[in-house]
Amino acid sequence: DAGVIQSPRHEVTEMGQEVTLRCKPISGHNSLFWYRQTMMRGLELLIYFNNNVPIDDSGMPEDRFSAKMPNASFSTLKIQPSEPRDSAVYFCASSLDWSPNYGYTFGSGTRLTVV
Amino acid sequence: AQSVTQLGSHVSVSEGALVLLRCNYSSSVPPYLFWYVQYPNQGLQLLLKYTSAATLVKGINGFEAEFKKSETSFHLTKPSAHMSDAAEYFCAVARGGNKLTFGTGTQLKVEL
Repeated sequence: DAGVIQSPRHEVTEMGQEVTLRCKPISGHNSLFWYRQTMMRGLELLIYFNNNVPIDDSGMPEDRFSAKMPNASFSTLKIQPSEPRDSAVYFCASSLDWSPNYGYTFGSGTRLTVV
Repeated sequence: AQSVTQLGSHVSVSEGALVLLRCNYSSSVPPYLFWYVQYPNQGLQLLLKYTSAATLVKGINGFEAEFKKSETSFHLTKPSAHMSDAAEYFCAVARGGNKLTFGTGTQLKVEL
């Protein structure tokens, strides 16, 4: 199993540009989570999906952020327009299902820098 | 609301010494608790989890944690530190199903 795959690993973009982060969860995992990690705020849950359906997006900071999961093997997190304060490491994680008996498997993250 | 507090943002130990990383939880119901490790420029990796079975939980790489309800604690220990244990460690609690709330992390430094 290749694990959770995120792309790109690094992204540098100019303020105002659109950014799209991608995630491929582990095959057979039904829950997918997007987290953001910064020095100031630590790990924040942005949104999570169960069976491709967004369950709770209350962690999405602003309307500039959107996420989709068109099928069980792919999810995107989009920021439009991007701002310097969006600079962070964005992690995608998947889990077997919604039960808390299972932990997450994290991807390696996308380090986003907005200049 | 479920949350966790990690005491000590930085811990330094000598190689071969006991590792103790502290985590206290706040939960109105029996919690599901986790410890994750993050190596530089990598994602988080599950070390161990408590899901209300045995109170002493053994994880990977020789780590273990003990759930103590009376102390609302879930501290992570390892009898003998190795240089490869240097990393950041996060305690987490599950809330509302499988949503994890993470602590602020503890950076472990292992010295020769």
